[in-house]
Amino acid sequence: DSGVTQTPKHLITATGQRVTLRCSPRSGDLSVYWYQQSLDQGLQFLIQYYNGEERAKGNILERFSAQQFPDLHSELNLSSLELGDSALYFCASSVAQGNTQYFGPGTRLTVL
Amino acid sequence: QKEVEQDPGPLSVPEGAIVSLNCTYSNSAFQYFMWYRQYSRKGPELLMYTYSSGNKEDGRFTAQVDKSSKYISLFIRDSQPSDSATYLCAMSFSNDYKLSFGAGTTVTVRA
Repeated sequence: DSGVTQTPKHLITATGQRVTLRCSPRSGDLSVYWYQQSLDQGLQFLIQYYNGEERAKGNILERFSAQQFPDLHSELNLSSLELGDSALYFCASSVAQGNTQYFGPGTRLTVL
Repeated sequence: QKEVEQDPGPLSVPEGAIVSLNCTYSNSAFQYFMWYRQYSRKGPELLMYTYSSGNKEDGRFTAQVDKSSKYISLFIRDSQPSDSATYLCAMSFSNDYKLSFGAGTTVTVRA
């Protein structure tokens, strides 16, 4: 158990809908990262927050947004969902902006 | 060309064999190199973390980085059926903490 928690474990929704994925980092970790894992693209970095502020962006779609709250938990919002958004979404955390990232168990999103 | 190349396998070995995994990369600016293990439908688990070139050993695992060749390796000695998983290499720059992953190699250790 990495200490990173993610909810929900599974999410099934329809095209055009909006969902929110939640992540709680390890105790003491200030940095949160979001990744998407799909069969064709592998693990791809989406976005990073550090102590409430956005620090880096990857290939994140405009339909996707995220935030990190004062208690350091983070949410990833996915809107106008498409079939191609079906994937595993992972959150990772690290103590500072270091590179030892610990991953959560992921949220499996299925868009029908 | 992908930034990080990793043969997806699959790789099947008998119990007790040495498992050899590797990745190549194109950007010489990568400084940090990691290996993660991912069991089916689970989150990646950090196995090894190396900065720049050199070797690092942890129990049955040895990680090697050759920056001159842009090549990293992971060796698993005395492999066990519980080592059956997908192994992902990852790397990052010194001032940019997002991880760039390889495609992952699926390994099966046969009892």
